Amino acid sequence: AQTVTQSQPEMSVQEAETVTLSCTYDTSESNYYLFWYKQPPSRQMILVIRQEAYKQQNATENRFSVNFQKAAKSFSLKISDSQLGDTAMYFCAFMKPPNNDMRFGAGTRLTVKP
Amino acid sequence: ETGVTQTPRHLVMGMTNKKSLKCEQHLGHNAMYWYKQSAKKPLELMFVYNFKEQTENNSVPSRFSPECPNSSHLFLHLHTLQPEDSALYLCASSHLSVLRGGSYEQYFGPGTRLTVT
Repeated sequence: AQTVTQSQPEMSVQEAETVTLSCTYDTSESNYYLFWYKQPPSRQMILVIRQEAYKQQNATENRFSVNFQKAAKSFSLKISDSQLGDTAMYFCAFMKPPNNDMRFGAGTRLTVKP
Repeated sequence: ETGVTQTPRHLVMGMTNKKSLKCEQHLGHNAMYWYKQSAKKPLELMFVYNFKEQTENNSVPSRFSPECPNSSHLFLHLHTLQPEDSALYLCASSHLSVLRGGSYEQYFGPGTRLTVT
C-alpha cells in the first residue's frame, strides 16, 4: 500500500519570505499523481497544485511550486512571498489511477506571521 | 467556495439517534467519496462510489451506511454512533478519467462537524 509522510507537523514563516514543506511517499508504481491541498482554518480543503509522475518538469502555480524528485520519492512544496492568507493545514496526497483511492499525509500546519 | 456542498454543517447527536449527512456536487463528476477527519490523524477514506456503485469500503463500522442515489448526491446515514465517531466528515468528488480534459484531483465540500454525546 502506498504511504505518504509529512515529517513537519508545524511550521512558521514570516510574511513575504519563502517556506518549503516536505513530503515523501512510498510506492513501487511508475505512473501516479501527487497533490498538495490546503485547508485554511474552518474553511474548505482546496487543491493547491498537482504533479503527474510522468512529467519531468516541476509544476508551478503562481507563488506555489513543487520540487518533484521521482527517484527519491520526494514531493516538496515551496511557497514564495508568503502571505497571511497562506496560513492553513497543508496535505500532501498520492493517487495511482485508475484506482481513485487517494492517500493523504498527516498534514503540516503552516502559520504565516506578520 | 467549490461546487461541492454539504449539509448540515454542524450536527450534535446522541448515541441512540439516527441522522443523515448529505452531499451534493455540481461539477459533473462521476465519483464521490466520504472521508473522516479526526484531530492529529490523516484523512481516512471511508467510502468510494464510482458511477453510483460502491467500490471501496475501508472496514467502516456498519453504524455508518452510505447511499448514492445518483452521481450528484451522496448520503451518509448514521445510527447508534460512539463518542469516538466525533469528527469532521468530508465529502469529495472527482472525474474517473482524464479523457476529455478531466483531471483526477478531488474537490471537497466544507464538511459536517459531527459531535456525538
